[in-house]
Order: sequence, then structure tokens, then C-alpha cells
Amino acid sequence: DQQVKQNSPSLSVQEGRISILNCDYTNSMFDYFLWYKKYPAEGPTFLISISSIKDKNEDGRFTVFLNKSAKHLSLHIVPSQPGDSAVYFCAASGAGTASKLTFGTGTRLQVTL
Amino acid sequence: EPEVTQTPSHQVTQMGQEVILRCVPISNHLYFYWYRQILGQKVEFLVSFYNNEISEKSEIFDDQFSVERPDGSNFTLKIRSTKLEDSAMYFCASHPTGMRNQPQHFGDGTRLSIL
Repeated sequence: DQQVKQNSPSLSVQEGRISILNCDYTNSMFDYFLWYKKYPAEGPTFLISISSIKDKNEDGRFTVFLNKSAKHLSLHIVPSQPGDSAVYFCAASGAGTASKLTFGTGTRLQVTL
Repeated sequence: EPEVTQTPSHQVTQMGQEVILRCVPISNHLYFYWYRQILGQKVEFLVSFYNNEISEKSEIFDDQFSVERPDGSNFTLKIRSTKLEDSAMYFCASHPTGMRNQPQHFGDGTRLSIL
């Protein structure tokens, strides 16, 4: 049951360049999407989110784009920094108060010097 | 910034034994969750809890699992008779209001190892 998919298990980007992480979903009932960052031995840390009524949300170096017709979202990090090296999880939730999160399998981002 | 705290960080238990994982959600948060991540797999939802009762649970959350909020601060996950396949990272999360325009906040997890 892969309702949320992150097809790239890993990504390597040079410092200063753009990192683009992708996520696809299949469940049309999802209407709120989040990106979490996870370092080893720590829990997921919230990064940025987007509601289905928007197609873009920006917070500093991080921008999330949502394409509802393609059921696709992406996270852009510009410029990438070595401290951004982590595993990034895409998550989605559907209708209902405090709905559970459905996670993707994660993409490991490595930002090299 | 307020944090979700989980104890212990690592729990080693013999198969068949009971284990209790503890979580202190962020103060004033109203919704509480448990998720788990088996090594190499995705983070999976187990259960959500609000107003002292389960609001949703997954297929994983069978009769061996239970949750409780025994006092005003702790939120626990109990596994009655552990199995080898229960070995995983268990994450607690809390949410302030349940409104979907706010994120869930996660603790650092408890690594459960079943021998």
C-alpha cells in the first residue's frame, strides 16, 4: 500500500546548488502535505507544509510545490547547505480532524562541499 | 521550543514480555499519536488518541497493543506480549488542536529490540 511514494532513495547535491526532492501520491482524499527532515537518532522534524488549495508555499530557503492534477509535490532547497544533509520524508493527511499522516519512504539528501 | 520527549531511548526485551514505551507530549497539545518505523521501511501510523480515547487505529494496532494517558502529562504505548517483528523505532507525536493546517510534532523515538 504505497499511497505516498518517494522514488529517489538518495540524492547528492553540491553546496550552493538547488536540491529538488520529489513525492507522488495516489489517494485523492489527501489534502494536506508536509515535509519532515530526519537526522540519525532523532525524530522527524517538521520543515514545511502545503494545503491542497495552494500550489506553492515558501519559507526561507525551502519551497514546496503541489501539482494536484499530477498528484505530485516537490521540495526545493535553495541554496543547499551541508547542514541540510538528512533524510527527507514526504507525508500526507486526508479529511478529518487530526488525521493520521501517511509517509513516503524517504530520500537521503547529501550536500557535498 | 517545546519538545515531545520519549523514554527510554532504547529498550531491549525478551520475546513474549510486556513493554511500555513512554512519551510526554508538548504541554497543551490535545491529540497524540504513535508511529513506528521498522528498519529500512517507512514510518507507519499506529494509533491516534484524543479526549482519553482512541480516535483511529491501523491494522497493525491489534489486541496486543494499548495506549493510555494515565495522568495529565504522560502518554504510553503498551505491547502485552512482544514478538520479534515488533522490533522497530517507535515515535510519539502530538498536535495542538487537530486542525490540519498545523503539523504534528515528533519525539526522538524509542528503539525497541526484541530478542
